[in-house]
Parts: sequence; C-alpha cells; structure tokens
Amino acid sequence: SQQGEEDPQALSIQEGENATMNCSYKTSINNLQWYRQNSGRGLVHLILIRSNEREKHSGRLRVTLDTSKKSSSLLITASRAADTASYFCATDAGIQGAQKLVFGQGTRLTINP
Amino acid sequence: DTGVSQNPRHKITKRGQNVTFRCDPISEHNRLYWYRQTLGQGPEFLTYFQNEAQLEKSRLLSDRFSAERPKGSFSTLEIQRTEQGDSAMYLCASRPDGWGFYTDTQYFGPGTRLTVL
Repeated sequence: SQQGEEDPQALSIQEGENATMNCSYKTSINNLQWYRQNSGRGLVHLILIRSNEREKHSGRLRVTLDTSKKSSSLLITASRAADTASYFCATDAGIQGAQKLVFGQGTRLTINP
Repeated sequence: DTGVSQNPRHKITKRGQNVTFRCDPISEHNRLYWYRQTLGQGPEFLTYFQNEAQLEKSRLLSDRFSAERPKGSFSTLEIQRTEQGDSAMYLCASRPDGWGFYTDTQYFGPGTRLTVL
C-alpha cells in the first residue's frame, strides 16, 4: 500500500510559471526523496531531504519538509516544457540502511508552451 | 553507460507462462531493489538484496515470484504461471552500502514492462 498521498494528482501550467506539488505521509521517516518519471520510463532521482532538515535547494528545485505535519512540498521554479513528467515522493521509513522506499501516487505535471 | 540496466525492456506473454527479467546494477552498488509499478500508481517495493543475500520480501511477492542475485552482481526476477494481474512495469534500483547522500540515493533502471494476455 502507498505511504501517503500527493496533491494535486494532476497539474497543468504555462511555461515559465512555478509548479508546487505536495506530499503527505503517515509514519516517522529517515528521509524523503523526490523522483521524476517521464512517460513509460524509469525514475530519475531529484532531491533527498533528511528528517532533521527543513528545506533544500537544487537548481530550480526547492523542497521543504515539515515532520510535525508529515508533509513535504516540491517547488519547481521557472518551469520548462521538459519538466513535463510525473513526480513522486518516496519515504524511507524503515530500519536505517534498509531503505525500502514507499512511494506516493504521484503528480502528473504538464507544462504548456 | 554505467547506469542500471534492465532486460528485456518489454515482454508480452500469455497467461500461465513463466517469465524472467534481468537487472544489472551499477557495478559498485551492493544493494539492489525490485519494485512493481501499475498504471497510474507509484512503484511498490517487492524485495531487496545486500550482495547475494535477499534481506526482505514484500507481501506482494507471492510464491509465484522468485528473485535471485547469485553472485552479488546482476539479479533476476522470475514470475511463474503469470496472471493478467501481473501486468505492470518492473523496476530495479541499486545503491551503495552505508549512509549519506550518495549512498541513500537509489538509482533506477528503465524498467521492464510486462503485458500478460
């Protein structure tokens, strides 16, 4: 079963706008990771944030983590057509080192040129 | 290309047949993971290996499924007596041992898409 939910399930914006996706989870975690998946392809790792961190940046990506609310958000700034993909959050909630990732259902992001 | 590779990329089979998928992880990665992803859903954990030892299996992995990593390098996932419900993308991922950003990141292969007719 999925660890949590992502919101929205689908998002369509114009190129150049910012895109925000949210992820909620149910249990305590070691870290939370965001992945991107282009249609029918494998997953590409975007960013990892640890349970003791509140915010991380990587290029146009900004991730926040609120462990008290068990939620995370992914912000993509200045979106491009190439950002069109599904985005998944994944939590590592097990024994440290095992890292069985538990994924959300994903947000399908469409960037309109 | 030194990433995770999976073969075949696509497999179409008839119900009741056996299928086997192969995953070649990044060469220095000790840990290897299998996930299954159905259409419109996120991946779900199936099993993982540390070197050749299979350390955990999900309840999703029925007795028709078996995974091996005989020499701690490549891994195979076999499904016996396939059912239509087995149709999915099967994803493999690998990572090094230890803790830290580079070791905590799982690197995914392109997946094998299975269609059971």
